[in-house]
Amino acid sequence: QKEVEQNSGPLSVPEGAIASLNCTYSDRGSQSFFWYRQYSGKSPELIMSIYSNGDKEDGRFTAQLNKASQYVSLLIRDSQPSDSATYLCAVNAHYGQNFVFGPGTRLSVLP
Amino acid sequence: DGGITQSPKYLFRKEGQNVTLSCEQNLNHDAMYWYRQDPGQGLRLIYYSQIVNDFQKGDIAEGYSVSREKKESFPLTVTSAQKNPTAFYLCASKRTGREYYNEQFFGPGTRLTVL
Repeated sequence: QKEVEQNSGPLSVPEGAIASLNCTYSDRGSQSFFWYRQYSGKSPELIMSIYSNGDKEDGRFTAQLNKASQYVSLLIRDSQPSDSATYLCAVNAHYGQNFVFGPGTRLSVLP
Repeated sequence: DGGITQSPKYLFRKEGQNVTLSCEQNLNHDAMYWYRQDPGQGLRLIYYSQIVNDFQKGDIAEGYSVSREKKESFPLTVTSAQKNPTAFYLCASKRTGREYYNEQFFGPGTRLTVL
């Protein structure tokens, strides 16, 4: 069975620090990788997508992908209390097929 | 204003009743999905559809049914056969085609409670 694993947390970081969120996946055929942010009681919001090995930066967010190690991570620089949420990792094997989500990591940014 | 809408936001069901959750999108996306999320849990796929008049079961389809008569609409019926339907239900959609446009977007969700 295809699996996506994340540390459930909570991960606590002080305001202004770098938060590092990790995700591993089991299906070597996976080609598309996504990070979603979900505030309590709300639906997931897409914040990053990455398709090839290496780093992808968007503002304070950097996604890192290593297909050989089956590992994808999300770095949040200059963390703010508003970043406190659950971060979901999602993996898609082939475009058009279904996605597999990890259980999420709860991040708490302390003022 | 493009997006995905779900209704109702909150739904209460008595045991033995069927209820239908609405999902509509005006993003011209081909693929639509239904997920269930339980407290403190990740998302589990119920059904998905990549094209009108066709849909596939996900990991937890038992007790649920769907239809896809229009590209814009993908309603989910929670039947009385679903033993524990209390959950947060999320509808999502995405384009199909090139890998770089493989991003899935979510509606605001419907919170279903069985009384």
